[in-house]
Amino acid sequence: SQKIEQNSEALNIQEGKTATLTCNYTNYSPAYLQWYRQDPGRGPVFLLLIRENEKEKRKERLKVTFDTTLKQSLFHITASQPADSATYLCALSNFGNEKLTFGTGTRLTIIP
Amino acid sequence: GAVVSQHPSWVICKSGTSVKIECRSLDFQATTMFWYRQFPKQSLMLMATSNEGSKATYEQGVEKDKFLINHASLTLSTLTVTSAHPEDSSFYICSARARVTGELFFGEGSRLTVL
Repeated sequence: SQKIEQNSEALNIQEGKTATLTCNYTNYSPAYLQWYRQDPGRGPVFLLLIRENEKEKRKERLKVTFDTTLKQSLFHITASQPADSATYLCALSNFGNEKLTFGTGTRLTIIP
Repeated sequence: GAVVSQHPSWVICKSGTSVKIECRSLDFQATTMFWYRQFPKQSLMLMATSNEGSKATYEQGVEKDKFLINHASLTLSTLTVTSAHPEDSSFYICSARARVTGELFFGEGSRLTVL
């Protein structure tokens, strides 16, 4: 069965450093991989989408890589700030906005 | 940006009662809406896909007679949890796909607590 794992349930990073989150998947060949931010008691907020034929995508302080050979995506937040503290979810789909399968999430805390 | 509104944002009900949750796309038309359930410290699990004017498609293991979904218009989908039990207590989240752009937007979620 399809499985999506995010490297750790919780991650603490010092303010100003780069936070790197990992998303690994098995038994899946996604066409798209997305990253979302979720704050406690709120719905997910879309951050970035990367296609299977793209290696890297950037948006401001965010960078996402997608390695379909390793079946892995890395999500980087550079110059991290306490306001970046949240749970980050990766989500896979076969087509852009069809059914999304979400990972387990990583709760990121940026320590001032 | 586009907004998806869910109502109520939280609800407490007695066991055995039914609860309706609304999902509205406020400034765009949505051909498809998705309903998710999220238990504490777990990820979002897709329950069903709702297309305007047709029956919802439920994921394996989701009881369609218990979780009634109605997508009566291009801006509104409702999820009714019938005969709710404490194990139905969860965070229910909808998402809507814009008809014109195909973009996907999530609602803020509705927390259901069944006593």
